[in-house]
Amino acid sequence: AQSVTQLGSHVSVSEGALVLLRCNYSSSVPPYLFWYVQYPNQGLQLLLKYTTGATLVKGINGFEAEFKKSETSFHLTKPSAHMSDAAEYFCAVSDRRTGNQFYFGTGTSLTVIP
Amino acid sequence: DAGVIQSPRHEVTEMGQEVTLRCKPISGHDYLFWYRQTMMRGLELLIYFNNNVPIDDSGMPEDRFSAKMPNASFSNLKIQPSEPRDSAVYFCASSRDRGTGEQFFGPGTRLTVL
Repeated sequence: AQSVTQLGSHVSVSEGALVLLRCNYSSSVPPYLFWYVQYPNQGLQLLLKYTTGATLVKGINGFEAEFKKSETSFHLTKPSAHMSDAAEYFCAVSDRRTGNQFYFGTGTSLTVIP
Repeated sequence: DAGVIQSPRHEVTEMGQEVTLRCKPISGHDYLFWYRQTMMRGLELLIYFNNNVPIDDSGMPEDRFSAKMPNASFSNLKIQPSEPRDSAVYFCASSRDRGTGEQFFGPGTRLTVL
């Protein structure tokens, strides 16, 4: 079965510092890839997604992610963290081999230190 | 569009009582998903529907849980009888397609079973 691994359940960065949230998947067939964000007491919302085409994907709020097939990774980055970026971030994959079954990672909680 | 609507936002009930959670998906979305989120287990897919038909309910924890989608505008998730371990945030999400499209999440229902 497909699996999604998010390294680091908690990440802290200083305001203005680089944000790097890691996501790796296990599949011999590249899946569709997503990053979602969840602010406190809210549902998840899509940050960005990769399906085909350019491997560097830009999303909302200055976030971007790069699909690296050789590393089976889809890490999320943002050059400069803002206080408003503090939230839970979920990586998700859609497995093309199993009728696009959706799998979410366990989430990474991002804290931004002023 | 108002987005995915869930009600109630908060539910507190006593063990043994029946609980009904409600969801109105975004108009035109053919897929509807029910998720449960807890600190211990993260985000779990319970069941999903396509064109009002349940497709995969393998995530439903046990027979106490049931879900229906009588029409394209409404779905409910019932727990009968409820138990304290059912306490969680329950999310409904909808999407236009199965795997490549964005899932739009509702705000969630926070269920507390005493």
